Amino acid sequence: SQQGEEDPQALSIQEGENATMNCSYKTSINNLQWYRQNSGRGLVHLILIRSNEREKHSGRLRVTLDTSKKSSSLLITASRAADTASYFCATDKGGGNKLTFGTGTQLKVEL
Amino acid sequence: GAVVSQHPSWVICKSGTSVKIECRSLDFQATTMFWYRQFPKQSLMLMATSNEGSKATYEQGVEKDKFLINHASLTLSTLTVTSAHPEDSSFYICSASDRGKVYEQYFGPGTRLTVT
Repeated sequence: SQQGEEDPQALSIQEGENATMNCSYKTSINNLQWYRQNSGRGLVHLILIRSNEREKHSGRLRVTLDTSKKSSSLLITASRAADTASYFCATDKGGGNKLTFGTGTQLKVEL
Repeated sequence: GAVVSQHPSWVICKSGTSVKIECRSLDFQATTMFWYRQFPKQSLMLMATSNEGSKATYEQGVEKDKFLINHASLTLSTLTVTSAHPEDSSFYICSASDRGKVYEQYFGPGTRLTVT
């Protein structure tokens, strides 16, 4: 079953702007991961944040995690047209590395 | 590093036939492989988890006799869709965990299955 709900479902911004995507989940987690998927392709792992972490950075990506609210956000700064893709959060409840994916946000970055 | 391949990338088959999809970890040993299906513009749904040398664990609602999974080696897992029907048409994606980095999964490029 779907654990994560993401919003917005779709986001369209201009190149250079920041993009923020949110993910909410329902049960306790071991870690939360963000993935990117270009249309019709596989997924690329972006970043993992553990349940005892609150914020993590990787290049232009910033991820926050609020376990009290069971939510996470992904911020992409200074977006580029090449960032156009679908972004999914995925939660790992522990015990076998099974991931439950969110509904995804389709990001379109226009020139 | 950490490359996962899938073959074929797309396949069209007739209703009632069986289709086999291969998932290979090219440069690492994958103790665990996962199979997902994804409908257009939707999220990934985990179908099953397979560990090398043991039977796959299927998620609730996934027919194990229809979706046969074999994980015969540390670098290869196969998914066979038996007696395929049009409703089995979907994007099938595998992923693999590197035994040295258990929290990360590396995804294959996916296989587009169309059943006519």
